[in-house]
Amino acid sequence: AQKITQTQPGMFVQEKEAVTLDCTYDTSDPSYGLFWYKQPSSGEMIFLIYQGSYDQQNATEGRYSLNFQKARKSANLVISASQLGDSAMYFCAMREGRRGFGNEKLTFGTGTRLTIIP
Amino acid sequence: DSGVTQTPKHLITATGQRVTLRCSPRSGDLSVYWYQQSLDQGLQFLIQYYNGEERAKGNILERFSAQQFPDLHSELNLSSLELGDSALYFCASSVGTSGSGEQYFGPGTRLTVT
Repeated sequence: AQKITQTQPGMFVQEKEAVTLDCTYDTSDPSYGLFWYKQPSSGEMIFLIYQGSYDQQNATEGRYSLNFQKARKSANLVISASQLGDSAMYFCAMREGRRGFGNEKLTFGTGTRLTIIP
Repeated sequence: DSGVTQTPKHLITATGQRVTLRCSPRSGDLSVYWYQQSLDQGLQFLIQYYNGEERAKGNILERFSAQQFPDLHSELNLSSLELGDSALYFCASSVGTSGSGEQYFGPGTRLTVT
């Protein structure tokens, strides 16, 4: 089974609208971390936001928020007031297990290509 | 700019050759990770080093090896190169073993094997 599933290969969104990028995950470990990264056309990977499995609140970072639904094993990224510069590939990733025990590799989804339309 | 540096940015070489990719982590980060991004395999974890020691191994071929030096920079050695090794190779770093452990990625080395 896929550890991280991103079902939207591509999305087109009008500038200034909010957008939700879907991510579901699969793990039996009670301790895990979920991450979102942005990859613009230039190729670099940019860290956006993190959610820990024991965090009670949904993570927020500026215009980015993570809609964490633990029972449904989903960790959707919400971008508010989208901008042209948000056009990029977005990857959801998971770290399984507690940090510090050799469990720090990230498993990535296949990504969603987001295009913002002016 | 993540603070992680990788050299070279691009590398073109022939099948059967050997190359070395270099990475310098962010100042203060002790962990270095290597990932491979290709069209068919996506982003795959290769190997992690923490303060000079190998910490975790992923889908790394036997033809590939890595090390982390006392100054914490890391090198990924790829030998007997095949066409299928063409990919974008990322190095990432993170601080210590506590906290959220977000990994900061370098700009990548794009390897083309001809």
